[in-house]
Amino acid sequence: KQEVTQIPAALSVPEGENLVLNCSFTDSAIYNLQWFRQDPGKGLTSLLLIQSSQREQTSGRLNASLDKSSGRSTLYIAASQPGDSATYLCAAPDNYGQNFVFGPGTRLSVLP
Amino acid sequence: ETGVTQSPTHLIKTRGQQVTLRCSSQSGHNTVSWYQQALGQGPQFIFQYYREEENGRGNFPPRFSGLQFPNYSSELNVNALELDDSALYLCASSWGGVRGDTEAFFGQGTRLTVV
Repeated sequence: KQEVTQIPAALSVPEGENLVLNCSFTDSAIYNLQWFRQDPGKGLTSLLLIQSSQREQTSGRLNASLDKSSGRSTLYIAASQPGDSATYLCAAPDNYGQNFVFGPGTRLSVLP
Repeated sequence: ETGVTQSPTHLIKTRGQQVTLRCSSQSGHNTVSWYQQALGQGPQFIFQYYREEENGRGNFPPRFSGLQFPNYSSELNVNALELDDSALYLCASSWGGVRGDTEAFFGQGTRLTVV
């Protein structure tokens, strides 16, 4: 059974810092892994999708890496801004590939 | 902004009542998945519909049921509402199921409050 964990649970940093958010998953036989952002009370916004054949994916100031052998993915946020404040969730497919299993999220606060 | 829309955005129901939530999938997508998100937790998988058939179900009781229509939009029905059903309900649209190479896109969610 796929299980996903994320550390840290919460993070508060001053504006401009570079950040690393960590995601671990137990079943490495995954087709892809997706990172999402969620603002309070809102739906999920897709940030990056990493295919199993890829090791990295980049979008603007965001970079996500995937290491299937160690069961880890990392989301790197460069030059953080107050607008980056949100909860960041990673999601890996379950054993049957029918749905996503989500981590509990990392709640990020970027202070001006 | 994604092309996935959910309605209504907010809903208040009384314990024991029934509720129907709706989701319009993104154009070109044939898979809809429903998730329940309690406050402070990650979303939990309820079920998935692929080409109008249920294609997997999470650990939710039978009073949670669904439909997918020929245009791939979907409904989530919950009977005999309980207080613990209060949550944000999220709909995700994708092509070919989660196993596919395409991204899943979520709607803005429906906030259900059971009193």
